[in-house]
Amino acid sequence: DTGVSQNPRHKITKRGQNVTFRCDPISEHNRLYWYRQTLGQGPEFLTYFQNEAQLEKSRLLSDRFSAERPKGSFSTLEIQRTEQGDSAMYLCASSGGFWADEQFFGPGTRLTVL
Amino acid sequence: AQKVTQAQTEISVVEKEDVTLDCVYETRDTTYYLFWYKQPPSGELVFLIRRNSFDEQNEISGRYSWNFQKSTSSFNFTITASQVVDSAVYFCAILGETSGSRLTFGEGTQLTVNP
Repeated sequence: DTGVSQNPRHKITKRGQNVTFRCDPISEHNRLYWYRQTLGQGPEFLTYFQNEAQLEKSRLLSDRFSAERPKGSFSTLEIQRTEQGDSAMYLCASSGGFWADEQFFGPGTRLTVL
Repeated sequence: AQKVTQAQTEISVVEKEDVTLDCVYETRDTTYYLFWYKQPPSGELVFLIRRNSFDEQNEISGRYSWNFQKSTSSFNFTITASQVVDSAVYFCAILGETSGSRLTFGEGTQLTVNP
């Protein structure tokens, strides 16, 4: 029974660099979500895919952020021209077909922008 | 819009004590779902429970129990006979029918159980 996996687990980058994170959801799940969590806060929604279609995007997702889910399987989240304010834990979750199914989270990717 | 308030930022108890974590929510939706997640020091969010707005029955699972009261917009979580392994941050969250698929989380309660 494999859960949601994310790579890398940690990423340190310099301001201005681009970074890309990967999420592999639970295989039978067609819904995939990205959240961001800063220290001492709850996760905040970024975006959501149903299969390969990106159906929702938060206002938090500036034009420097882009997410894809080709073929409806794994997903990538790219941040261009990183800023120190992008430092956070980026969490991926997946769920089944019902809109209110529980979301299962991966271990996250911790991004530090120097 | 949905909102979740977890007024208790930190709670510290001694092992075997009972502890209740409070959660108050706001929504204009008729149909909504409430969740609790646990985030241990390892960082991975662990799903604990989901409850829909039409089911106010309390639920018990081992040492865990949940009290859902629509009249006070609360969904409180009680751990009976706490253990050191219960130490974690606990998040309450809501998903409403008009919020798409975005979970709205509270700010979490850090629970520390001391031996």
